[in-house]
Amino acid sequence: KQEVTQIPAALSVPEGENLVLNCSFTDSAIYNLQWFRQDPGKGLTSLLLIQSSQREQTSGRLNASLDKSSGRSTLYIAASQPGDSATYLCAVSGSARQLTFGSGTQLTVLP
Amino acid sequence: ETGVTQSPTHLIKTRGQQVTLRCSSQSGHNTVSWYQQALGQGPQFIFQYYREEENGRGNFPPRFSGLQFPNYSSELNVNALELDDSALYLCASSLARSLVAGGLGTGELFFGEGSRLTVL
Repeated sequence: KQEVTQIPAALSVPEGENLVLNCSFTDSAIYNLQWFRQDPGKGLTSLLLIQSSQREQTSGRLNASLDKSSGRSTLYIAASQPGDSATYLCAVSGSARQLTFGSGTQLTVLP
Repeated sequence: ETGVTQSPTHLIKTRGQQVTLRCSSQSGHNTVSWYQQALGQGPQFIFQYYREEENGRGNFPPRFSGLQFPNYSSELNVNALELDDSALYLCASSLARSLVAGGLGTGELFFGEGSRLTVL
């Protein structure tokens, strides 16, 4: 059974810092990995999708990497802003055609 | 905005009642998935519908059921509500390719804003 872990559970940084969020998964037989952002009480916003054959994806200040063999992904956020404050979730898609989510990292960027 | 719309946004029910949640998928998407998110947790997969048939189910009891319609919109029905059913229910649509012969897993999923269910 696939399990996804995100560390840290919460993170507080001053504005302008670069930061890394970590995600690990137990079964490396995945089709893709997706990073989401969730604001309080809201739905999920897709940030980046990495196919299993890819090593990384970039969108603006965000960069996500994937090391399938070691079961790890990182989300790098450059020059953080208060508007980046949210919960970040990673999820992996396997043969069961469902997403398995981690519990998320709650990020607070202080002005 | 993803183009996935859910209704209602909030509702309150009592134990034992039944509830129906609705979802309109993004244009061009053929697959709808439902997830339950308890407070402080990641979403948990309930089930997925593809071409009006259930195409995968998570660890949820049969009182959780669903439908997908020809226009790819979907409903989630929960019977005999329990207090633990209180959660945010999320609908996601995607374009699943080659589901025959194993398929390619989920495509990129796009989520709606969710329906917040409170069971008293």
